Amino acid sequence: KAGVTQTPRYLIKTRGQQVTLSCSPISGHRSVSWYQQTPGQGLQFLFEYFSETQRNKGNFPGRFSGRQFSNSRSEMNVSTLELGDSALYLCASSKGDRDVTEAFFGQGTRLTVV
Amino acid sequence: AQSVTQPDIHITVSEGASLELRCNYSYGATPYLFWYVQSPGQGLQLLLKYFSGDTLVQGIKGFEAEFKRSQSSFNLRKPSVHWSDAAEYFCAVGALAGGSYIPTFGRGTSLIVHP
Repeated sequence: KAGVTQTPRYLIKTRGQQVTLSCSPISGHRSVSWYQQTPGQGLQFLFEYFSETQRNKGNFPGRFSGRQFSNSRSEMNVSTLELGDSALYLCASSKGDRDVTEAFFGQGTRLTVV
Repeated sequence: AQSVTQPDIHITVSEGASLELRCNYSYGATPYLFWYVQSPGQGLQLLLKYFSGDTLVQGIKGFEAEFKRSQSSFNLRKPSVHWSDAAEYFCAVGALAGGSYIPTFGRGTSLIVHP
């Protein structure tokens, strides 16, 4: 079955702009999580969506937001971009129910803010 | 709150040598533990996971890990390393939150393999 698909793979944006990243989960997975990966901070959890509702949230400012659609696809938006937002943004999907299952990751979107 | 420590930032081994990557976790309840591997510019691939039962877990690509509750450790091992194993390795502990197990990752260990 198809894996987690993230688009686009690469983005270059200017400070102050906003950006939207997309994630299509594995078919049947209802949970989508987003992570930011930087050399300085490592992998940090942004938020998780399940059945179109944000279920968990990490410690990021309100400029970072997301949503999930009825087909479980998810988008992440970052407004008023800062240089420090340059990172690899990873999306992961899982079944999301209380059965313990692992998260499957996409290849990520590399965002560069200039 | 849960946390994961990977004490080694870089590890260098020769091809064919054995490998052990260290991982220590902090979590108040029964831990759910994972090892992921990341090749340059790629996402994370799950190598193995521990939820319960046998403390020695077998994964893909010939990797195994042993859960030791008394030492709060979940070290990753491989008896003979191949050049293609060069990558970044992440240990993670999953905490149940609202029905999902949200992994908290360590800072990663970069594996360098010499021919």
